[in-house]
Amino acid sequence: KAGVTQTPRYLIKTRGQQVTLSCSPISGHRSVSWYQQTPGQGLQFLFEYFSETQRNKGNFPGRFSGRQFSNSRSEMNVSTLELGDSALYLCASSLELAGGRSTGELFFGEGSRLTVL
Amino acid sequence: DQQVKQNSPSLSVQEGRISILNCDYTNSMFDYFLWYKKYPAEGPTFLISISSIKDKNEDGRFTVFLNKSAKHLSLHIVPSQPGDSAVYFCAASVRYYNAGNMLTFGGGTRLMVKP
Repeated sequence: KAGVTQTPRYLIKTRGQQVTLSCSPISGHRSVSWYQQTPGQGLQFLFEYFSETQRNKGNFPGRFSGRQFSNSRSEMNVSTLELGDSALYLCASSLELAGGRSTGELFFGEGSRLTVL
Repeated sequence: DQQVKQNSPSLSVQEGRISILNCDYTNSMFDYFLWYKKYPAEGPTFLISISSIKDKNEDGRFTVFLNKSAKHLSLHIVPSQPGDSAVYFCAASVRYYNAGNMLTFGGGTRLMVKP
C-alpha cells in the first residue's frame, strides 16, 4: 500500500514569506503528526492531528500552524519565515487501535526540505 | 530539557561484529520505546519497538533491551552489515488512551559499518 506522501519535496523561500506543506497519510491512518528536523535540534515534534482536531502541540511559536481535512490529509503552514526555519519537515501517520489507544508507531514520509534565504 | 538522550553521536563497527546503540530517558511516564533508522534525504523508518512491560524484544538481527530502573535502552545489531550504516534515532512515547502519537526523539547516532 502507498506510504506517506509529502509535497513539495524541496522548496526555497525568502525571509518574511509564508509556506504551506502538504501530507497524505497512509490509507486508513487518521492520525497525522508533523516534525521538524534540523542539524542542531534533531527531530522535534510540531503538532498532531486526529479526526480534523489538533490533539497535541509541541513547543513552537504561533507562526507554525496546521490543519487536517476530512480525508485525513494534512497541511502545515509557516508564516513570516525566518532563516532558522530552514529544516526538513517530516509528516508521519499512525493507525489508531479500537478504543482510541495508539499503536505508538509512526510511518514517516520522505519530508519537505525548506530553505529560507 | 532533553527527555531522551543518545550520548554517542557516532559509532563505527566492523562488518560482522555487534553494533550497540544506547539511549537514556528521564521521563518515567514513557511506556513505549522505538528505534528508527534514517538514511540521508529519506524519512525515518521504523525498526523495532518495546513496551515498558518487557525487557527485551527481538526481530531478526535486531534486539532492543530495556532497563527501566536505569531508564536506559539499547539496540543490538548482530551481525552488522554495511547496509546498516545510517542514523539511528531512539524515541519514546506515552500510550495511554487518546493521548495521541507524540514521540520524543533522541538526537541520533550515526552508525558506520565498515566492510
